[in-house]
Order: sequence, then C-alpha cells, then structure tokens
Amino acid sequence: QKEVEQDPGPLSVPEGAIVSLNCTYSNSAFQYFMWYRQYSRKGPELLMYTYSSGNKEDGRFTAQVDKSSKYISLFIRDSQPSDSATYLCAALEGSNYKLTFGKGTLLTVNP
Amino acid sequence: EAGVAQSPRYKIIEKRQSVAFWCNPISGHATLYWYQQILGQGPKLLIQFQNNGVVDDSQLPKDRFSAERLKGVDSTLKIQPAKLEDSAVYLCASSLGNVAIPYYEQYFGPGTRLTVT
Repeated sequence: QKEVEQDPGPLSVPEGAIVSLNCTYSNSAFQYFMWYRQYSRKGPELLMYTYSSGNKEDGRFTAQVDKSSKYISLFIRDSQPSDSATYLCAALEGSNYKLTFGKGTLLTVNP
Repeated sequence: EAGVAQSPRYKIIEKRQSVAFWCNPISGHATLYWYQQILGQGPKLLIQFQNNGVVDDSQLPKDRFSAERLKGVDSTLKIQPAKLEDSAVYLCASSLGNVAIPYYEQYFGPGTRLTVT
C-alpha cells in the first residue's frame, strides 16, 4: 500500500463548477499536508499547506485535513479553465523532511 | 527573483549510456532536492542536500545514480549506466530550510525529461 493514495482521474468539469480532489494516507506520523499544482511540462508549485487537522482557505481554494480518517481534500470554487492542471497531494512527517506525493489528479475545466 | 534552473530540458539516450543533469537553485536556498517523476506518478525523492552535505539518499539507486552539490550551490545528478526504467522527468527543487525546522516551501524547477531507448 502506498503511503499517499490519490485517484488519478482524469476529471473533467464545466467552468464555474465546484471541484473536489481527495487523497488518503496511511502513515500516522504525517503532520504536514500540501497541495501542489503542476501544469503540463512544468514543475509542481505549492498551492496550500496545512499543519495537522483543520481547514485552510485561500481565495477560491480550500484545503481540509481529517487526521481521524486520514483524509485530505482540496476544493476549488468557481473553477476556471486556467485551473486545468494536475493536482498533487503530499504529506510530510515532522521528524524527517521527505515529501511523499500522491500520483496526482489530472483536472480539465472546460469553457 | 529567478527560479530554479535546470538543464538540459530534454535528453534522449540509449540504454547503458551515461547522462548528467544540472541544477542551479534559488539564491540563498540551503536545501536542494532531486526528484524522479515517472509518467502518471507523483515525484519521488532521490536525494536531499543541506548545503553540500547529504541529508537523505535512501531512495537513490546508488549502483547507477550519483549526485553532488559542490560549494553548496549548484548540483549535478548522474546516471551511469542508464536503464529503460530510468525514463522519467528529473525535478530539482530548493528551499530555504534547514533540518532544524520541519517544513519550508520547496520551489521546483521545470525538470529534465529523460528518454532511454
């Protein structure tokens, strides 16, 4: 079992839709949780990160972590064609600094 | 502020040949990472440097992969000899962080796309 599991999709939605992206993890030692966005032929860029459980909001993006169920979510409101990319969840322990990534979910937002 | 630079952007080699990738991190970033991203997968950490010392190379296939970071700035990653399964994008990332602090944002370069035929 991989430490971070993510449905690779692909996911296709119309412009303006609410998008929900999800990951599960198995390592109870993970304390930091991140969402990266990766455009085609580019490196990943950090969207948001959270420490432990809870919600974090940044504009149209909301990240949620539920440590009791080991579930990580990213919600995108009012999705735009420019949001079309691969979204990678990642997690990190507090005691070592190695990011463990999910496979990524390919999202397409259609105009 | 300039981002992480990598070269070459693309490389095609035959199996059993050798190849080297170069990375120039963001100025002042103490920590440098090399990741391997196979098509359809998330990045996998190969090696992490803190200044010019190795922090973690547990997932580096040391029989064929080597990396160095001279003077704590630029880094090179080498594969010798290459295998078909080494076809992937090799990403370099850097961060301000040091090992005393759990998390600093990692900034990724555009990657080098390697095809082994």
